[in-house]
Amino acid sequence: QVQLQESGPGLVKPSQTLSLTCTVSGGSISRGSYHWSWIRQPAGKGLEWIGRIHTSGGTNYNPSLKSRVSISIDTSKSQFSLKLTSVTAADTAVYYCARGVITGDLYYFDYWGQGTLVTVSS
Amino acid sequence: AIQLTQSPSSLSASVGDRVTITCRASQGISSALAWYQQKPGKAPKLLIYAASNLESGVPSRFSGSGSGTDSTLTISSLQPEDFATYYCQQFNSYPHFGQGTRLEI
Repeated sequence: QVQLQESGPGLVKPSQTLSLTCTVSGGSISRGSYHWSWIRQPAGKGLEWIGRIHTSGGTNYNPSLKSRVSISIDTSKSQFSLKLTSVTAADTAVYYCARGVITGDLYYFDYWGQGTLVTVSS
Repeated sequence: AIQLTQSPSSLSASVGDRVTITCRASQGISSALAWYQQKPGKAPKLLIYAASNLESGVPSRFSGSGSGTDSTLTISSLQPEDFATYYCQQFNSYPHFGQGTRLEI
């Protein structure tokens, strides 16, 4: 059973950089046709995909966040990480990491972390 | 960018009811749609992928279908644990989610 666990600071000051790490266990982060994504959800609102990384290192980002987002992967530690720069209160949300399955036209998320709340406040 | 519009946005129902939620895509293939269930304070859970394929372990009272740009999620007989928020999702350049449908008692 694949498990994902987010970790990182729960409070970030405005204009600073939000950094989170997702640790994958119960399965290889390197094996299979998977992408590893970050998704966020402001309180009481819907889901917003932030970006993804493949074990090859290839990345894709949501165009609305692309200028501020960076995702990296460390296969030796079974971890992938998110950095979001110049944060504002609008970046306050629960951040999830998730495994994306891609086959043909299909792309969906079969495993999710429990989520971590990040609050942007001084 | 693609837009996924779910209807209704909220729904009140009773245990035992049959419920249908619709997701309309502004473009794309409805057969590539996924559905998720989210309970308060929890991560979304995959229910259905490729419009009609039930994820392993998901009760058979959940079903999905897709035609053209419309997809539907049906719960044949609501159980108490089904009251949650449901999201559709599709990939078009990048993953997009619907705005959610809140299913209430």
